[in-house]
This record gives sequence, C-alpha cells and structure tokens, in this order.
Amino acid sequence: AQSVTQPDIHITVSEGASLELRCNYSYGATPYLFWYVQSPGQGLQLLLKYFSGDTLVQGIKGFEAEFKRSQSSFNLRKPSVHWSDAAEYFCAVGAFNRDDKIIFGKGTRLHILP
Amino acid sequence: GAVVSQHPSRVICKSGTSVKIECRSLDFQATTMFWYRQFPKKSLMLMATSNEGSKATYEQGVEKDKFLINHASLTLSTLTVTSAHPEDSSFYICSARGYGRSPSGANVLTFGAGSRLTVL
Repeated sequence: AQSVTQPDIHITVSEGASLELRCNYSYGATPYLFWYVQSPGQGLQLLLKYFSGDTLVQGIKGFEAEFKRSQSSFNLRKPSVHWSDAAEYFCAVGAFNRDDKIIFGKGTRLHILP
Repeated sequence: GAVVSQHPSRVICKSGTSVKIECRSLDFQATTMFWYRQFPKKSLMLMATSNEGSKATYEQGVEKDKFLINHASLTLSTLTVTSAHPEDSSFYICSARGYGRSPSGANVLTFGAGSRLTVL
C-alpha cells in the first residue's frame, strides 16, 4: 500500500536560513510526488511536482525538491526562508490512472524565527 | 490556470441539520473530484472519489449515508453532511482533476480553498 511519511511534525528555522523538509514514501510503482503548502484556515497550494525526468524539480516561491529513488525520498528545500513561508507543508504521492488517489503525509509545520 | 471554487468557506449549523458544500471547477471540466476531511493538526483524509455521472466511491470507514456526494455535472460536485453532529465539525476540502492528460502524462489536482464546518 502506498504511504507517505513526514518524520518532522514541527520545524523551526531562523529567517534567512536554509530549509529542508523530509519526505519518504512507499509505493509499488514509480510514484508521482507532490509538495503542497497550506496556510492557516486555507486550502492547499501546489508548490511543485515530480512525474519523471530530471530528479531535481523547481517549484514556486523558491522551493525545490529532489527525488531520490534509492532512498524513496522527496525532500523539499529552500536556500533562504522568509517569514511568509511559515505554514503547514504536505508531501503527497499518487499514481496516474482514472481513479488515482493522492495520499498525503501528516504534514510538517514550519515556524520561522525573526 | 485551473481554479476550483468551494462554497461556503465557513458554515455553522445546529446539530441534526444538513449542510451542503459545493465544489466547482471554474475554467475546466472536472471528470473526477475528491473530497478530503482535515482534522485539527492532522493530515488530509480522503473521504471519497466521485466521477461525473456515477456513484461516488467511499473510503473505508466513511459513512456514505452521512456524507452524500453528488457529481451531477463536469463542473460541480456537492458534499452534503446529513444530520450533522458536533463530531462532524471539520475542515472539508475538495479537489478536482481535469479531463485529459497533461504532456507529462499525469493530471495534477487542483484544490479548493476548503470549507470550515462547525456543528453546534
């Protein structure tokens, strides 16, 4: 069964510091991987996605993620965080068929110190 | 880009009443819509998958008689919480997938902004 693990429930970094949010997945085939961000009381916004090709994908707001098949990981990174990056981040995995489902990790809450 | 509108964004109702939440794809035809429920400080739990013109497929443990899903058109799906109770209070989010495949061979879901339901 497919699953997504985000081992860090909370992460706190100082503004301007680099960030890495971890994501590990379990999937029986080549996964499609996503990172979403959710601000308090809001819906989800897609940051980036990986389907195939270059394993380093660039997303919006300066985020990037690297797909490492050998480690079953898809970690999200940003070289320098801004206070506005404080939010909940969800890693998700899915497959492509007509009724595919996207399964979400439990999320990582990012706190930014001034 | 693809936009999904969810309405209402917030609703408060009395216990025992029914509440309907709408999910509309504004600029594309959504062949499949997904309904998620998010508990406080928890991840999103997939409740059901609905395909236009057919019955929704519910995830294990989700009461189909309590959470009625209708996907009557390619741009609208509704979730009706029947005989709501305080434990149904939650954040409900819909997502939609458009018709056809993207060049990458897969479709990305577009999420609505969510609906906060509070049952008194």
